Amino acid sequence: GAGVSQSPRYKVAKRGQDVALRCDPISGHVSLFWYQQALGQGPEFLTYFQNEAQLDKSGLPSDRFFAERPEGSVSTLKIQRTQQEDSAVYLCASSFLSGAPEQFFGPGTRLTVL
Amino acid sequence: KQEVTQIPAALSVPEGENLVLNCSFTDSAIYNLQWFRQDPGKGLTSLLLIQSSQREQTSGRLNASLDKSSGRSTLYIAASQPGDSATYLCAVRGTGANNLFFGTGTRLTVIP
Repeated sequence: GAGVSQSPRYKVAKRGQDVALRCDPISGHVSLFWYQQALGQGPEFLTYFQNEAQLDKSGLPSDRFFAERPEGSVSTLKIQRTQQEDSAVYLCASSFLSGAPEQFFGPGTRLTVL
Repeated sequence: KQEVTQIPAALSVPEGENLVLNCSFTDSAIYNLQWFRQDPGKGLTSLLLIQSSQREQTSGRLNASLDKSSGRSTLYIAASQPGDSATYLCAVRGTGANNLFFGTGTRLTVIP
């Protein structure tokens, strides 16, 4: 496909479970971003990759959150020991160059922690 | 830290009306400002992007303006249609930064 894809689209987890969310950016896009969007709020930045290098992880809310992009394309956001406050939509975005102005967003993964 | 505010939080208008959505930001050292549309259960669709050196951008019935010195942007929608119903998000990218800072959005309903 031509756009950013994310899987799964919906995930329900019991509190304490680990989850892994996947992002497939647009082919050839160098930069990849993860955002967290709580209900009724705007997205908030979590972390940023340039190719395989994680250049900024200042938005990750705790050490339970971990992201990787080992080959510089697909990225995985992992949340360990999920808590109810982790319930949100997790959005992935990519851009062609590190300085490119526009970010293209995927449809998001809605995570519900029971 | 950059703070982005959008007013109003929700807006309901009859079809055909022109309307203005407002966005304000606290740090004027921005690289660009972007307006997005978000439909329920969907990702973000970019509508307009204004570089810091620009004052406005237009696309069809949409016009976005930027006043960097006062920390404000407006999104003008002309002749609104029911299909315009969505949440509109304003996002700012700071100078030297890569990530976006988002407002909480304006939920627009256009009544047929």
